[in-house]
Amino acid sequence: QVHLQESGPGLVKPSETLSLNCEVSGYSIINGYFWGWVRQAPGRGLEWIASVSHSAYTYYSPSHKGRATISLDTSKNRFYLNLSSVTAADTAVYFCARDAAFGGSPLYYFGHWGQGALVTVSS
Amino acid sequence: EIVLTQSPGTLSLSPGERATLSCRASQTVYRNFLAWYQQKPGQPPRLLIYDASRRATGIPDRFSGSESETDFTLTISRLEPEDFAVYFCQQYSKSPPTFGPGTKVDV
Repeated sequence: QVHLQESGPGLVKPSETLSLNCEVSGYSIINGYFWGWVRQAPGRGLEWIASVSHSAYTYYSPSHKGRATISLDTSKNRFYLNLSSVTAADTAVYFCARDAAFGGSPLYYFGHWGQGALVTVSS
Repeated sequence: EIVLTQSPGTLSLSPGERATLSCRASQTVYRNFLAWYQQKPGQPPRLLIYDASRRATGIPDRFSGSESETDFTLTISRLEPEDFAVYFCQQYSKSPPTFGPGTKVDV
């Protein structure tokens, strides 16, 4: 059974870079699927940020392109999110998730999710 | 991008009752590429339905989804105590994928 777990600093200062890890267990990410990040601001809905294929092709939401960078390290079975120049509006719970698509193009719906990591942007 | 509107915002029902949740899209959702998720406090979303009407693995058959171009419905035939939660719809017909604001089903 695939399991995803986010980690990273819970507090980031404005204008700095938010960095999150997602450790995947129970499945080798090099074997397939797309892997993504979705966030949820307090009391608000869900927002897709970016996805990456097992072969490192990347896909970004226009809202975050230019600030977000998604990458993966197949040797560590992890993927990552960096979000630069953060503001208070980036305060949210960040989820890593596995896309339903094994190959080809991402489908952008997610059947497996991590528990989420709360990141607060504050000085 | 496609904007999703969910109604009602809150649905107050009792166990055993039928719940009908709506999701309307601002544009045609091609190939019925619409999913429904359930979320409980402190938990990640749980995929219930994909392709508008296909149940995800392990989802009980009291959950069903209907198909349309812009109007979609999630029905819970008989509410169980564990079904009281927030439900989100999501379209993946057009990038970027977008989510609705959610419907809270409470007692």
